[in-house]
Amino acid sequence: NAGVTQTPKFQVLKTGQSMTLQCAQDMNHEYMSWYRQDPGMGLRLIHYSVGAGITDQGEVPNGYNVSRSTTEDFPLRLLSAAPSQTSVYFCASRGSNSPLHFGNGTRLTVT
Amino acid sequence: AQSVTQLDSHVSVSEGTPVLLRCNYSSSYSPSLFWYVQHPNKGLQLLLKYTSAATLVKGINGFEAEFKKSETSFHLTKPSAHMSDAAEYFCVVSLSGYSTLTFGKGTMLLVSP
Repeated sequence: NAGVTQTPKFQVLKTGQSMTLQCAQDMNHEYMSWYRQDPGMGLRLIHYSVGAGITDQGEVPNGYNVSRSTTEDFPLRLLSAAPSQTSVYFCASRGSNSPLHFGNGTRLTVT
Repeated sequence: AQSVTQLDSHVSVSEGTPVLLRCNYSSSYSPSLFWYVQHPNKGLQLLLKYTSAATLVKGINGFEAEFKKSETSFHLTKPSAHMSDAAEYFCVVSLSGYSTLTFGKGTMLLVSP
């Protein structure tokens, strides 16, 4: 019963570096999503997926890429990190008509 | 289109007094509504959900919320605050199925002894 697992928990990047935030769920959920959380802004949707091979943009997709090759995994890629991407990132999944299950977050700092 | 407004960014209460966190929503269709709680440096945990069944919804840790369609509100309440309730609370609205969820900006609940 791992739920939604995110790695790493913390990451520091220099401007221009690339990295992938990993997200895996073991609940056979079709829907997966990535949010970023910034003070006073709530959670904003970056990208989401309603099933393997299907992805779509959310509210703030610029600077991020995603893919969904399996039901379980939904990695988030930063191709060229910028200081504006300093944030806490949450992965979440859900089944149809069910609430979101969240991972514990990745705290990213870009210097 | 859907949106959600949390009317207070911060709410301060004393331990043992009632808690009221206010949420108003707008949605073109009958929405599903949720309250989530986030303790410091943690992920978000579901407190309760409304999905068109009973309008008064009971959640975990003594919290409840009432769906009022005429007022487009879904306020969260608890009769008696506990120190462990200090956290940030998010009101969330969604249409049915896999539609995306819209989060409010959060209300920080502060509980003093």
